[in-house]
Amino acid sequence: DTAVSQTPKYLVTQMGNDKSIKCEQNLGHDTMYWYKQDSKKFLKIMFSYNNKELIINETVPNRFSPKSPDKAHLNLHINSLELGDSAVYFCASSPPREQGVEQYFGPGTRLTVT
Amino acid sequence: AQTVTQSQPEMSVQEAETVTLSCTYDTSESDYYLFWYKQPPSRQMILVIRQEAYKQQNATENRFSVNFQKAAKSFSLKISDSQLGDAAMYFCAASGAAGNKLTFGGGTRVLVKP
Repeated sequence: DTAVSQTPKYLVTQMGNDKSIKCEQNLGHDTMYWYKQDSKKFLKIMFSYNNKELIINETVPNRFSPKSPDKAHLNLHINSLELGDSAVYFCASSPPREQGVEQYFGPGTRLTVT
Repeated sequence: AQTVTQSQPEMSVQEAETVTLSCTYDTSESDYYLFWYKQPPSRQMILVIRQEAYKQQNATENRFSVNFQKAAKSFSLKISDSQLGDAAMYFCAASGAAGNKLTFGGGTRVLVKP
């Protein structure tokens, strides 16, 4: 019973392609996030959604478009992939503020653009 | 805005001994939270410990404890009785009172020698 799951775990694709990463959480949380971890292991927030509404967009290129069909899902679609998009992408979720501020992470998706 | 700095890229410790990881942060918020996350080679992000800024008492979780110095904006992690399974990257992170975004430090790799 995985709490935060991502698919796929590995994704290898060519420059210029469009790809999606899916994220689902079964914790009943109302806030979900996407983080990017680069080759130097540096982690940075990309997006945050609360109850399906975008609340944080950290100057991410327009080629990245998150979509939240419901509170339990936050997918990341990337258009026209570039070499620099190669990274590990983590989905995370957190409960309503009054229940805590911890973020629970998925296993990550390693994206390799060739 | 928040910044988090980890000045030690790598630390080595003998099994059963103690190691301390440094973290300094800066924030304009009066209420905030601090965290240590562990990332083993499996790349899963695991919450180790959290500290509420308004609490003076240092958090502890089994062999893990923090030294929170609010005036100095310092938040170090002590791992006691180190075990081989403690070998991982450790990330210090901060979030504001809303808890809707984690800002991470660059990470410290911990090596445990048998």
